[in-house]
Order: sequence, then C-alpha cells, then structure tokens
Amino acid sequence: DAGVTQSPTHLIKTRGQQVTLRCSPKSGHDTVSWYQQALGQGPQFIFQYYEEEERQRGNFPDRFSGHQFPNYSSELNVNALLLGDSALYLCASSQWTVGDTQYFGPGTRLTVL
Amino acid sequence: QKEVEQNSGPLSVPEGAIASLNCTYSDRGSQSFFWYRQYSGKSPELIMSIYSNGDKEDGRFTAQLNKASQYVSLLIRDSQPSDSATYLCAVTRAMDSNYQLIWGAGTKLIIKP
Repeated sequence: DAGVTQSPTHLIKTRGQQVTLRCSPKSGHDTVSWYQQALGQGPQFIFQYYEEEERQRGNFPDRFSGHQFPNYSSELNVNALLLGDSALYLCASSQWTVGDTQYFGPGTRLTVL
Repeated sequence: QKEVEQNSGPLSVPEGAIASLNCTYSDRGSQSFFWYRQYSGKSPELIMSIYSNGDKEDGRFTAQLNKASQYVSLLIRDSQPSDSATYLCAVTRAMDSNYQLIWGAGTKLIIKP
C-alpha cells in the first residue's frame, strides 16, 4: 500500500523564481492538505483540496496556489519566491468523509537563496 | 494566546522512565486530538488520535484527554532512545463541513541512555 509521496525531495531556487511541488495521496484518500513548516515551528496550514477545488485556506498570500487533479494528486505553486519561503513543505492526505486523520508525505525541503 | 500550546522543551527523560508531554488548546469546540512524532528533518508521523475524555492506550503510548480543562497529554512508558524526537499536538477546528488541523510548535523529547 503506497503511502503519500512528494517530489522533489529537495529544491534550491533564487528569489523571484517560481516553484511547483507535487504530491500523490495515500491509496484510498481523496483530500490533500498542504503545510509549510519552518525550522523549530509546527506545520502551518496553507490550503486543502477536495474534488479538484480549494476547500479551505490558511493565512498565506495569493503567491501560493494549488491544484488537484482527477486522480487526487496535487500541486503547490509558489510565485515570486522570497527568502522567507524557505521551509519544509508537507503534503498530507485524508479521506473527506472521515475528515480529520491526516497522513504526511516525506516533505520537500525548499531553499530560497 | 496561541490556539494550541506546548512546552518547547527540551524534555530530558532517562531511558526506561515515563515521558509526559502536555498540550493545551483554546477552542472549546475542538473535537479531535492527535499526537504526531517528528524526527529531525523528517515529516510528522501519526502516533495516536483521541476523541473522548479519558485515556486511550496503544502499546507504550497513552493519550489522555480532558475537555473541561482543555488539555491533552501523551505518556510514553519505558522510554527508549529511539523515542527521542519532537512531539506535535494537533487539534481540529470545525470549519463548515470539514475540519482544519491546528498545530502546536512541538515539544522536543530527549531520552538519555
């Protein structure tokens, strides 16, 4: 049973660039949530996708956008990168009908120079 | 006041002893409570969930919930060096038809051999 997968594992970008991160949910899951985790902090909720629509959004600027595909996989896009966007980006999958139990992928470490 | 608060630690516990981790939350409407373990540089791993007042045991782990006092705790019996990690508390906040996980910043636990 495949768990949550994310790609790439690591990424280095420069300020002003754009980045796309990818996530495939756990088998049987239809909901994907994205989090940003800075060093020494808990995960901060970015947004959640279900049925290819953004269902909830945290306190992140419009530079952060996403998409969910018919196969439930998801992308996180960040435009105009800032140094402060350097973090571990986590994808978590769940079942919409169950609601709250989320399982995390390995994360993508983004470094902005 | 943060919505979910944890002592950042580090909490140092001798091997074989009981480690006690605490978490308080502010939203009285919270219904689901989770403990995740996160090793350095890795993603969070679900340890336990608890939904009702009282204790829930799973192996060496016991979660305790007291909704009246708005706290949830995690006890780790017979602590092992491999238990050394950051422990994250997450609490759901009802958002219309779905839930949003609100996270504490985590408690760093060190098990000393």
